Amino acid sequence: GESVGLHLPTLSVQEGDNSIINCAYSNSASDYFIWYKQESGKGPQFIIDIRSNMDKRQGQRVTVLLNKTVKHLSLQIAATQPGDSAVYFCAENNTGGFKTIFGAGTRLFVKA
Amino acid sequence: ETGVTQSPTHLIKTRGQQVTLRCSSQSGHNTVSWYQQALGQGPQFIFQYYREEENGRGNFPPRFSGLQFPNYSSELNVNALELDDSALYLCASSSPGTRAGEQYFGPGTRLTVT
Repeated sequence: GESVGLHLPTLSVQEGDNSIINCAYSNSASDYFIWYKQESGKGPQFIIDIRSNMDKRQGQRVTVLLNKTVKHLSLQIAATQPGDSAVYFCAENNTGGFKTIFGAGTRLFVKA
Repeated sequence: ETGVTQSPTHLIKTRGQQVTLRCSSQSGHNTVSWYQQALGQGPQFIFQYYREEENGRGNFPPRFSGLQFPNYSSELNVNALELDDSALYLCASSSPGTRAGEQYFGPGTRLTVT
């Protein structure tokens, strides 16, 4: 069946360092892969997405990389800040566009 | 522009009871999706409503039902509550023309079933 999973449940980084959060997916038919950030007591917040026909997409301090050969997705956060502390979810969206499948999440801790 | 709002914030129900959760979509958004998020898990898609009709459904039993109103607000109804229904229920709104997955979530309703 479809699944989106993460390699590590927690990640701890020093403030100012770069963070890399990894994700594996199994559904080759997905059109979009998305990263969400969820802070305590809030709903997930859209960060960035990438279409399946792209390898890399950059946003403000974030970069998403997609490796379709090994079905791997990663989120890179440059100069990690305390405000980046949260749970990060990778997700995929199917062809119809109505169903987003989330992974279990990685908790990012930023040490001052 | 107001964001997505949900009510109530918290709710405690007894097994077998019925519950209704409410969601107001972000201004200009006509699509609402509902998710169930168990503790320590990622959100699981329940269903989506577009222009007052169900547009797709995840692997949830029929006792999970919904409505969307002309103003695009939405309700999630759960009948015959079970202990495993305890979770954070999230709604998310989106609009035509936005990228798939670019949806805006509310803060959720925490449901506890005892």
